[in-house]
Order: sequence, then structure tokens, then C-alpha cells
Amino acid sequence: SQQGEEDPQALSIQEGENATMNCSYKTSINNLQWYRQNSGRGLVHLILIRSNEREKHSGRLRVTLDTSKKSSSLLITASRAADTASYFCATVPSGSARQLTFGSGTQLTVLP
Amino acid sequence: DGGITQSPKYLFRKEGQNVTLSCEQNLNHDAMYWYRQDPGQGLRLIYYSQIVNDFQKGDIAEGYSVSREKKESFPLTVTSAQKNPTAFYLCASSSAGTNGETQYFGPGTRLLVL
Repeated sequence: SQQGEEDPQALSIQEGENATMNCSYKTSINNLQWYRQNSGRGLVHLILIRSNEREKHSGRLRVTLDTSKKSSSLLITASRAADTASYFCATVPSGSARQLTFGSGTQLTVLP
Repeated sequence: DGGITQSPKYLFRKEGQNVTLSCEQNLNHDAMYWYRQDPGQGLRLIYYSQIVNDFQKGDIAEGYSVSREKKESFPLTVTSAQKNPTAFYLCASSSAGTNGETQYFGPGTRLLVL
């Protein structure tokens, strides 16, 4: 079942701008993860945020988590053309140790 | 792609044929997973295995089978019972843990029906 839903489905920005993607989910979670997928490739893990964390940074990435609203956001600052990819959030529901449930993704296009 | 290999990259299936997708990892991970991805969609879990000689059905297991005879290997068979097998198949692995660990993905196999 698809628990996480990303918004928007597609996003197009100019190089140097910031990109923000949102993820909403339905049930209580253990943690939430963001993955990136280049076209026709496997997924690459970007960042994991646990249910007791509110914000996390990794390089140009900033993830926030609001468990009261059951939502998360991924911010990519100073975007580059190489950031063009699909971005997925994946949740680990409470009581489910390892099974990730993926959303349908946001297709980000960064124009040079 | 983090020590996980999938083969072949492309696979063609004829009507009524069973085909097997290979997944191997050298990360010493206990858990392995198979996902199906349709165009423009997220990933759906087919099967997963938390330890050798044990596996469980995911959300869309019908028409698929797996085995886990070795820690490093988790092959997926797409049987003739799977009526709509055309998709991108992704294998992943993770370390054992209790809090939902990061998964590492292979490059994927694209299955097409002739």
C-alpha cells in the first residue's frame, strides 16, 4: 500500500534555485527516508529522519518532519542540473521493523 | 549501486514462460527485498527476506516466487501466473535492525513481454 504521497508530482526550476518537495503519510511511523532515482536506475538513499527528530541536514539537503501533521519536506538548496531526478519518500510504520512503504515520487527537473 | 548487482539489465519473456531475475549482494546484509516499479509510480514490495531460508510476501506477491538459500542471493521468479509482468524490478538489501534501516538498491532489471 502507498502510505507516503509526494507533492508536487513534478517540479521544474532553474539552476541555482531551491527545490522543495513534500511528503504526507497516514499512520504513525518509526522513521521516514528520502531516496533519489535517476531515470532508469536504482534508488539512492539520501537521508533518514527518525520520529523523534524534527530537522536534519546533509550537505545541500534539509529534511523536516512534523509528526503531528504526518508530513515531511525535502529542501534542496542551490540546485544543479545534476539534481534532476525523481525523489521518493519512504516510511517505516511503527511496529514494522524493516518494510519501507514508498510514495509515488516527485519528478524534479533543474534547467541549466 | 552499493554492492548489489542485478542481472540481466533487460529481460524478455514469452507468453507462459517463467523467468528468473538475479540479485546478489556483498554487503553482508541479512535482509533483502524485491520491488516492482511501474512507469511514473513508486515502488511496491513483492517479497522480502529477513534471514536465510525465510521470506515473506509483500503487497503484490501473486504470480511471483523467491528463494533465499544463501545470504548473498535472493532470486525472483516471475511465473506465468503473473499476467502483467512488464515493469522495472528493483532488488534491495539492508542490515538487520529494529528501526527500519536504510536500504541499498541494485540497478534494476527491466522485464518486457514479447
